[in-house]
Amino acid sequence: AQSVAQPEDQVNVAEGNPLTVKCTYSVSGNPYLFWYVQYPNRGLQFLLKYITGDNLVKGSYGFEAEFNKSQTSFHLKKPSALVSDSALYFCAVRDGNAGGTSYGKLTFGQGTILTVHP
Amino acid sequence: EAQVTQNPRYLITVTGKKLTVTCSQNMNHEYMSWYRQDPGLGLRQIYYSMNVEVTDKGDVPEGYKVSRKEKRNFPLILESPSPNQTSLYFCASSGLAGGLSYEQYFGPGTRLTVT
Repeated sequence: AQSVAQPEDQVNVAEGNPLTVKCTYSVSGNPYLFWYVQYPNRGLQFLLKYITGDNLVKGSYGFEAEFNKSQTSFHLKKPSALVSDSALYFCAVRDGNAGGTSYGKLTFGQGTILTVHP
Repeated sequence: EAQVTQNPRYLITVTGKKLTVTCSQNMNHEYMSWYRQDPGLGLRQIYYSMNVEVTDKGDVPEGYKVSRKEKRNFPLILESPSPNQTSLYFCASSGLAGGLSYEQYFGPGTRLTVT
């Protein structure tokens, strides 16, 4: 079965400092990896994804993520945090192999609350 | 405007009273899915559908039913709701080309309370 772990329930950073939100995954086939953000009382918004190609992917609002196959990780990063980045962040994985039994399933981590202090 | 809509947005009901949460998308997406969000557990997939008349169980399907009679609609049915189904529910959709590589568009959520 596929799974996602976000080891930190909460991450606190000061505005202007770099931020990292960690994600590790387990999937039997090729991983398709996604990051979503949820602002208070809102639905989820897509930030970025890794499907194939360059291990460093860039997304919305200045976020980027690095795919590391050997460490099965897909950490979300931003060079300079903003107070407006404060939100709940979710990592998600699906199996990219069409013949897999989990094809179609999308598995989310438990979420990480990011708080950026002024 | 491309969007996923859910109704109702808020619902308080009693144990055992059947209810339906509707979901509709206007993007001609093949893939649709339902999730529930609970504190500390993240989002968990209930059911998904790859196309009309094709549905599959996610990780937490017990106590739920779905149907996909039309491409745009994917209702979630709770035939006999119980208090442990109190949660925040999200519907989502995405295209299928590229082998599910597309990101999902989420609805605004339905907050359900079962007493």
